[in-house]
Amino acid sequence: GAGVSQSPSNKVTEKGKDVELRCDPISGHTALYWYRQRLGQGLEFLIYFQGNSAPDKSGLPSDRFSAERTGESVSTLTIQRTQQEDSAVYLCASSSYQTSGNTIYFGEGSWLTVV
Amino acid sequence: LAKTTQPISMDSYEGQEVNITCSHNNIATNDYITWYQQFPSQGPRFIIQGYKTKVTNEVASLFIPADRKSSTLSLPRVSLSDTAVYYCLVVPGDSSYKLIFGSGTRLLVRP
Repeated sequence: GAGVSQSPSNKVTEKGKDVELRCDPISGHTALYWYRQRLGQGLEFLIYFQGNSAPDKSGLPSDRFSAERTGESVSTLTIQRTQQEDSAVYLCASSSYQTSGNTIYFGEGSWLTVV
Repeated sequence: LAKTTQPISMDSYEGQEVNITCSHNNIATNDYITWYQQFPSQGPRFIIQGYKTKVTNEVASLFIPADRKSSTLSLPRVSLSDTAVYYCLVVPGDSSYKLIFGSGTRLLVRP
């Protein structure tokens, strides 16, 4: 696609429910990133996928968070048993060193509100 | 990746030139300096990247001294729409790598 696409754009969920957030990276981009940004705060790195290598999960805040990526395409970030502190915008980004160096392109984000 | 340090916030007025300096003392030989801009409720977007000396595009200029331990993002004649958070990152020039964003610099442009 033309850009990084994320869905849903907005999600309100009840505390304790599971949520899935989807990211479609730019076609051909081998690297994919997930970040979390709480209101008024900076970007918090969550996870990084690069090609077929094992993902760097060092930023996932707890075992309630997991992410998968199908080959070099779609990624899903899953949050289990959501808590109110999970409320944030979840930003996905992608890049391809071969075509754009280390410039990463962000989606518009998925805004999650846990009530 | 080299750690970066930049001011937490800056204020300016419309029409002024704004210079935001970033320190990156541990920059490696193959690292590039990259700046992103983030407006409220949007993801960050790339604005400029450089390796040494000066780079200019339609949005900004980037000045990098010979020792590369710092860099300065220059925004000419800012307008209210330049109010945003500006992030300085040091990234490898030879491979993809996870990118860690710092706190950035919150620029407020006043009328």
